[in-house]
Amino acid sequence: ETGVTQTPRHLVMGMTNKKSLKCEQHLGHNAMYWYKQSAKKPLELMFVYSLEERVENNSVPSRFSPECPNSSHLFLHLHTLQPEDSALYLCASGVGGIQYFGAGTRLSVL
Amino acid sequence: GENVEQHPSTLSVQEGDSAVIKCTYSDSASNYFPWYKQELGKGPQLIIDIRSNVGEKKDQRIAVTLNKTAKHFSLHITETQPEDSAVYFCAASMSSGSARQLTFGSGTQLTVLP
Repeated sequence: ETGVTQTPRHLVMGMTNKKSLKCEQHLGHNAMYWYKQSAKKPLELMFVYSLEERVENNSVPSRFSPECPNSSHLFLHLHTLQPEDSALYLCASGVGGIQYFGAGTRLSVL
Repeated sequence: GENVEQHPSTLSVQEGDSAVIKCTYSDSASNYFPWYKQELGKGPQLIIDIRSNVGEKKDQRIAVTLNKTAKHFSLHITETQPEDSAVYFCAASMSSGSARQLTFGSGTQLTVLP
């Protein structure tokens, strides 16, 4: 148990659906991250939040919309996704450069 | 930006043998190098890390070495056990404001054969 909890663990959605991924940490970390993990590819950093402010957006399509309402919670809102968006979405929290990952949400877009 | 290359992509060893995974990085400003282990159905878990002011770090059967001149670092696992089977990722990072960002290698699937 890393202290970073992601829900749901699995999600199947159609291309016209709207859904949200949730991440929660109670480690007292001040930075939170969203990553995309696809087969045979390195982890891709999507968004970075520091002290609840977004500090990085790595050219992610607008159909992915992050939200960080407080230092313990991070959301990833999804709408009109494409089949190629199917992947494992990982949340991490960190301090001093060390990042702790959740178990991820396995997303399938039909 | 930073680029991290990781080799090999797959590695099979006999139980009890050693395993070595190597990574190279491109940005000489990188100063933090963690290694993560990812088991099936789980997120990556930090197993060991090293900062640029040291050349080697060891924790029981796991060790990491860093060569700043050559810009490469390696993970060494001795006396491998079946539970060491997993995907291992290296990463590199530099100090950057309030939220340090990691650049990951593409991963190594390690299989320990009983």
